[in-house]
Amino acid sequence: AQKVTQAQTEISVVEKEDVTLDCVYETRDTTYYLFWYKQPPSGELVFLIRRNSFDEQNEISGRYSWNFQKSTSSFNFTITASQVVDSAVYFCALITGGQKLVFGQGTRLTINP
Amino acid sequence: EAQVTQNPRYLITVTGKKLTVTCSQNMNHEYMSWYRQDPGLGLRQIYYSMNVEVTDKGDVPEGYKVSRKEKRNFPLILESPSPNQTSLYFCASSPIGALGTEAFFGQGTRLTVV
Repeated sequence: AQKVTQAQTEISVVEKEDVTLDCVYETRDTTYYLFWYKQPPSGELVFLIRRNSFDEQNEISGRYSWNFQKSTSSFNFTITASQVVDSAVYFCALITGGQKLVFGQGTRLTINP
Repeated sequence: EAQVTQNPRYLITVTGKKLTVTCSQNMNHEYMSWYRQDPGLGLRQIYYSMNVEVTDKGDVPEGYKVSRKEKRNFPLILESPSPNQTSLYFCASSPIGALGTEAFFGQGTRLTVV
């Protein structure tokens, strides 16, 4: 069975600090995709990134970066120089052979000014 | 503009009063699904549909029904809502065939059952 664990329920930091959101996944499939979504206070889900299981390259997009390590089954998300607008709930998710997304519990990130 | 549209966005209802949350997509996607989001549990799949007239249970189907009479629409039906169905609901769609294709989500429906 597939499972995604986001052990950090809530994180609170001061603006401009760097913060890392952890994501650990479980699957027996060799082909899978990992996702991160952002849910701002308005409630919608915003797609951030997709990574397939054969591509372990880290990715950077502005202040956002993602570290994918198959050896530890982790797909962590780092925000550098955090801003108040980064305050949101962040979800990590996994998809394998079917179309179903398996989500982690979510991490509520609060950036304080 | 490619989108998934859910209605209503907010709904307060009473126990036992049947309700329907509509979902419509304009991308000709085969796959559609419903998720519910609860604190500490993330999003869990309720029902999904692979195509017209093909639906199946997800992880938490009890108390819900769906139908897929047209490709674009996938309504979620609560025949007799109960307070434990108070939640934030999302409809999603994606094409079948390409594993890992990004799913498109609706804006969410916040349902309160009193």
